[in-house]
Amino acid sequence: GDSVTQMEGPVTLSEEAFLTINCTYTATGYPSLFWYVQYPGEGLQLLLKATKADDKGSNKGFEATYRKETTSFHLEKGSVQVSDSAVYFCALSDNDMRFGAGTRLTVKP
Amino acid sequence: DGGITQSPKYLFRKEGQNVTLSCEQNLNHDAMYWYRQDPGQGLRLIYYSQIVNDFQKGDIAEGYSVSREKKESFPLTVTSAQKNPTAFYLCASSIAYAKNIQYFGAGTRLSVL
Repeated sequence: GDSVTQMEGPVTLSEEAFLTINCTYTATGYPSLFWYVQYPGEGLQLLLKATKADDKGSNKGFEATYRKETTSFHLEKGSVQVSDSAVYFCALSDNDMRFGAGTRLTVKP
Repeated sequence: DGGITQSPKYLFRKEGQNVTLSCEQNLNHDAMYWYRQDPGQGLRLIYYSQIVNDFQKGDIAEGYSVSREKKESFPLTVTSAQKNPTAFYLCASSIAYAKNIQYFGAGTRLSVL
């Protein structure tokens, strides 16, 4: 079945550092891909999405490109802030929604 | 404001007790979902409903039950048959099932006394 594998955490970075969180997927069809973010004690919020190959999703300085040839959807941000500290989930949706295990990011001042 | 409301925020269950978690949405979404989140793990689907009066088992439905009598409401009952209920429970909804953005509530943290 469909599945998502994302980079294990935790990830700790200094403020203004470059962030990459890797995400790869397995799917038989043509899924939509998502990144969600979860702040402590809260539900998940959509961060960005892409619905077809070569689409780039972007929001709040975060970007991810739907790469069908490498079945990847890596999350990047050029300069992280302390307020970006959260857990990030990669997800795909075709017939079902599948979430990765989540990557905890801590940004230190 | 439109959104999803889960209640209570914290819930405690005694041995042998059934407890019900509430989930209400005013987004006019057809599809609703319940997930379980354990520490350091991703989300696992318990039940989902594509439309009123219909629901389907997800990956870990044993020990749980749901109903969908109204479009806005999708309560989850954690029964005494669920031997390890301590977790964070998240409710979500989407315009339609599959390929759509899911909107999440703030979650209910269930603990066993």
